[in-house]
Amino acid sequence: DTAVSQTPKYLVTQMGNDKSIKCEQNLGHDTMYWYKQDSKKFLKIMFSYNNKELIINETVPNRFSPKSPDKAHLNLHINSLELGDSAVYFCASSPLGSYTGELFFGEGSRLTVL
Amino acid sequence: GENVEQHPSTLSVQEGDSAVIKCTYSDSASNYFPWYKQELGKGPQLIIDIRSNVGEKKDQRIAVTLNKTAKHFSLHITETQPEDSAVYFCAAIRTGTASKLTFGTGTRLQVTL
Repeated sequence: DTAVSQTPKYLVTQMGNDKSIKCEQNLGHDTMYWYKQDSKKFLKIMFSYNNKELIINETVPNRFSPKSPDKAHLNLHINSLELGDSAVYFCASSPLGSYTGELFFGEGSRLTVL
Repeated sequence: GENVEQHPSTLSVQEGDSAVIKCTYSDSASNYFPWYKQELGKGPQLIIDIRSNVGEKKDQRIAVTLNKTAKHFSLHITETQPEDSAVYFCAAIRTGTASKLTFGTGTRLQVTL
């Protein structure tokens, strides 16, 4: 009964390829996020969706495109992968969006670009 | 925007000792301060939080204090155990529409036997 699940857990790919990471939450939350954690463990928000609507879009290259088909799913598609995209990507959800700082994180998807 | 600084970046304590991690924030309007624990290979998990109308909160061996005037807050872990070894993140947010949770840079805590 995983609360926030991401697939794949590991992803190794070549520069220039396109890849997707999928995220699903079964907590009934309205808000979902993508965070990027670099090699120094810095956690930085990329996107936030509330009930399928984009509400936060940080200065992320437009090679990154989130898609939320419904409020339980938030996928991340990355075009033309670059070496600097290597990181762990975390999906998260929260019950009250920005009215709380309580986030429920998935286990992460480690992306390695060669 | 909000900026959260966290110290130390690494902390090694002996089992049974106490550990203290300190954070400062820049936005005086921030009103919610959660702490997250990230174990190896896992996502961060909320362990304790404090709101701006409270000065201290305790939950068993962990406690958090908040000094709004100085804009700093701290995590205290007493009687540390090996399973406390992890990376800890403080965070701050001014709750409301489209607000963003800003994380500190993390503290790697190692509890040695």
